[in-house]
Amino acid sequence: DAGVIQSPRHEVTEMGQEVTLRCKPISGHDYLFWYRQTMMRGLELLIYFNNNVPIDDSGMPEDRFSAKMPNASFSNLKIQPSEPRDSAVYFCASSTGRSSYNEQFFGPGTRLTVL
Amino acid sequence: GEDVEQSLFLSVREGDSSVINCTYTDSSSTYLYWYKQEPGAGLQLLTYIFSNMDMKQDQRLTVLLNKKDKHLSLRIADTQTGDSAIYFCAEIGGNSNSGYALNFGKGTSLLVTP
Repeated sequence: DAGVIQSPRHEVTEMGQEVTLRCKPISGHDYLFWYRQTMMRGLELLIYFNNNVPIDDSGMPEDRFSAKMPNASFSNLKIQPSEPRDSAVYFCASSTGRSSYNEQFFGPGTRLTVL
Repeated sequence: GEDVEQSLFLSVREGDSSVINCTYTDSSSTYLYWYKQEPGAGLQLLTYIFSNMDMKQDQRLTVLLNKKDKHLSLRIADTQTGDSAIYFCAEIGGNSNSGYALNFGKGTSLLVTP
């Protein structure tokens, strides 16, 4: 398996633009997580899905952020409009609920810079 | 939410042992984890420990868990320059809404010097 795939790897955009980050989880995994990593706040959970259904979105910063999982092999995270304070590395991770210790497998991340 | 605390930096010489410490607050955590993040990459699970254990050894890695003090540590024996990375302590979120979500510490940057 190729692991968790994220695209793009890097995104530079201007304030006010819409940004879409994409994730393909590992096949057969039924949990998908979106995290944001910054120097100041560390790694924050934004939202996670189980069987394509959002379970906890309490970490989503505000209404400008939205995430969908239309099927088991794809999720996207949208920021509209983007702001400079959204600059961070965004990670997607997936896991299977059938493992006793619930290892999460992380993608390589998308580094977002909002100018 | 519950907090996971770690020191931010650690520097050791090659060949020495490294000890990275972590404290957590959620006493209901069933598993505790150490993840490793190399530069420009995502996190990878390094090791984990079940909450009814107090020690786990895996080659150069030793995890110690003190449930009473809610303290977790990771010892790396014979530290190599390739061990330089950020190490994250994490626990399974304990509230009813968090399911399989993890609470991560801010990470400890380990620098191994020759």
